[in-house]
Amino acid sequence: AQSVTQLDSHVSVSEGTPVLLRCNYSSSYSPSLFWYVQHPNKGLQLLLKYTSAATLVKGINGFEAEFKKSETSFHLTKPSAHMSDAAEYFCVVSDAGGYQKVTFGIGTKLQVIP
Amino acid sequence: DTGVSQDPRHKITKRGQNVTFRCDPISEHNRLYWYRQTLGQGPEFLTYFQNEAQLEKSRLLSDRFSAERPKGSFSTLEIQRTEQGDSAMYLCASSPAHLTGTGPHYEQYFGPGTRLTVT
Repeated sequence: AQSVTQLDSHVSVSEGTPVLLRCNYSSSYSPSLFWYVQHPNKGLQLLLKYTSAATLVKGINGFEAEFKKSETSFHLTKPSAHMSDAAEYFCVVSDAGGYQKVTFGIGTKLQVIP
Repeated sequence: DTGVSQDPRHKITKRGQNVTFRCDPISEHNRLYWYRQTLGQGPEFLTYFQNEAQLEKSRLLSDRFSAERPKGSFSTLEIQRTEQGDSAMYLCASSPAHLTGTGPHYEQYFGPGTRLTVT
């Protein structure tokens, strides 16, 4: 069984300040982990993924995430928020297994204040 | 544009009517997934195809729902006798597949979704 917990449903930051979106996962096997972003009225876009290579993963638009097995966490960070980062972010876990069933978190809505 | 496409983008229907949605995956992807997303929630897995074979169905997929991928390319999702609770965004995604083993997972590429409103 697998699950994802996004610890904050809403995060508000000022433009130019750091972003931290928290994600904890539960998985029976070595998981793959992803972060997706969803802008209003647009499809889900992959930000980054962890698939058992380097634990610090760099993604698009300056985002990165660190896989910490001991803490079962995969938090998403960005050093400096931009207005265009305002969107909903989903943490996703995929167990090792045949068909890549993925489980989404409920999402964190990021608000960026000018 | 060679991404995942879905049609229609919006559908308004009356309760009790049947609706059908179409998904065209990225052409070289042999895996195709359907998800449902309601307001304030993350996408929930509905079903999955590898080529034309439907290999997994969620318990969310009641007997009013049926999905097909007859030639291993595009897929359709049909909802019969729609109910107001079916109102949601229906998302399609595609990905490549491993031939064997459990290797690292490929990401899924999502379409823009079909928003269904049942009145």
